[in-house]
Amino acid sequence: KNQVEQSPQSLIILEGKNCTLQCNYTVSPFSNLRWYKQDTGRGPVSLTIMTFSENTKSNGRYTATLDADTKQSSLHITASQLSDSASYICVVSAEDAGGTSYGKLTFGQGTILTVHP
Amino acid sequence: DSGVTQTPKHLITATGQRVTLRCSPRSGDLSVYWYQQSLDQGLQFLIHYYNGEERAKGNILERFSAQQFPDLHSELNLSSLELGDSALYFCASSVADRTHYNSPLHFGNGTRLTVT
Repeated sequence: KNQVEQSPQSLIILEGKNCTLQCNYTVSPFSNLRWYKQDTGRGPVSLTIMTFSENTKSNGRYTATLDADTKQSSLHITASQLSDSASYICVVSAEDAGGTSYGKLTFGQGTILTVHP
Repeated sequence: DSGVTQTPKHLITATGQRVTLRCSPRSGDLSVYWYQQSLDQGLQFLIHYYNGEERAKGNILERFSAQQFPDLHSELNLSSLELGDSALYFCASSVADRTHYNSPLHFGNGTRLTVT
């Protein structure tokens, strides 16, 4: 069964500090991995999308890494801001036979990040 | 603003009733996906339409149905509602018909359904 596990479940940091969120997956065959940010009561917003050939991808203060061999990804947030307080969701897309992946996204439970002043 | 519009934002109804949730995708996007997010749960995939055609089904109950119209907007119909159906229902759209790497999903802000 395809699964995505995220850790920690929640994290509290002070404004200006860095943090790293973890994602382990067992989705197979792997197509791509996405990180989303979801503010309370809002829809998820895409941060990064990576294929198996990409080791790292940045989007401003967000840097995602991917190790397809160990099936692990991380999201590093640099110089955190109060607006970074949100749930961060790791999502993995699987390929069907023949290379399609209609809707086969597996979502993690998310890491709730709280940034305090 | 993702460009995906969902209405209504909030819906309160009683058990046994039927409701319709509406989604207008981003301009130019042909795919519409529906997801359910219950309290403390991850997003669960319900169904995917591409250009009016059903492409994939997830864990969608038989009491639920959806369709995508010629103007590409989509509706999710929930009937014989139960307390456990209370959740956030999200619609997402993308330009492509599959979730490959160059096809990001754009989510609406959801409809919060409360069944009493």
